Amino acid sequence: DIQMTQSPSFLSASVGDRVTINCKASQNINRYLNWYQQKLGEAPKLLIYNANSLQTGIPSRFSGSGSGTDFTLTISSLQPEDVATYFCLQHNSWPYTFGAGTKLELK
Amino acid sequence: VQLVESGGGLVQPGKSLKLSCSASGFTFSSYGMHWIRQAPGKGLDWVAYISSSSGTVYADAVKGRFTISRDNAKNTLYLQLNSLKSEDTAIYYCARGFGFSDWGQGVMVTVSS
Repeated sequence: DIQMTQSPSFLSASVGDRVTINCKASQNINRYLNWYQQKLGEAPKLLIYNANSLQTGIPSRFSGSGSGTDFTLTISSLQPEDVATYFCLQHNSWPYTFGAGTKLELK
Repeated sequence: VQLVESGGGLVQPGKSLKLSCSASGFTFSSYGMHWIRQAPGKGLDWVAYISSSSGTVYADAVKGRFTISRDNAKNTLYLQLNSLKSEDTAIYYCARGFGFSDWGQGVMVTVSS
């Protein structure tokens, strides 16, 4: 199985900050990497698919980059509504696997 | 797009349960569908996938115990959970397509005596 190592586990940042979250795959997953946002008590929401494609309706302050084994989710200017847990998902090969999550809080 | 799960509840270890996911707002028969679960306070675990042509794939942890199926006439996805264990306790979500582009609100399954 492909292991997804996500970092950091917790992140505290201020409104307006640039925030980066990383996922590292245990083997090459090409660009088959998605990012999700999950707010407390809600279902996950797709933000970025195939490493760098912004899902329809998602604010442009969210962006994704990377290929192969190393991927990054960037929030260019943190907003209060971005407080959530963020997960990556590899869908290159079965079984699909998620990162453990990054809990983002406001400082 | 709307996905609505149902069928969860409290069940004893070793017993069975069947979850449903009612889909609307898209051509259900054209999409593969997933089940994903999230144990209380934990991360997400992919459980099973069924293609538009009803081919299936399972996570090792549920293989042989869970069965994913679909009824395109009813626009409904199912997950039959057999031989339940305490570690199957989780919120179960259904999601649409390879990219998990849309998710239901989830349904809680609690396995406890």
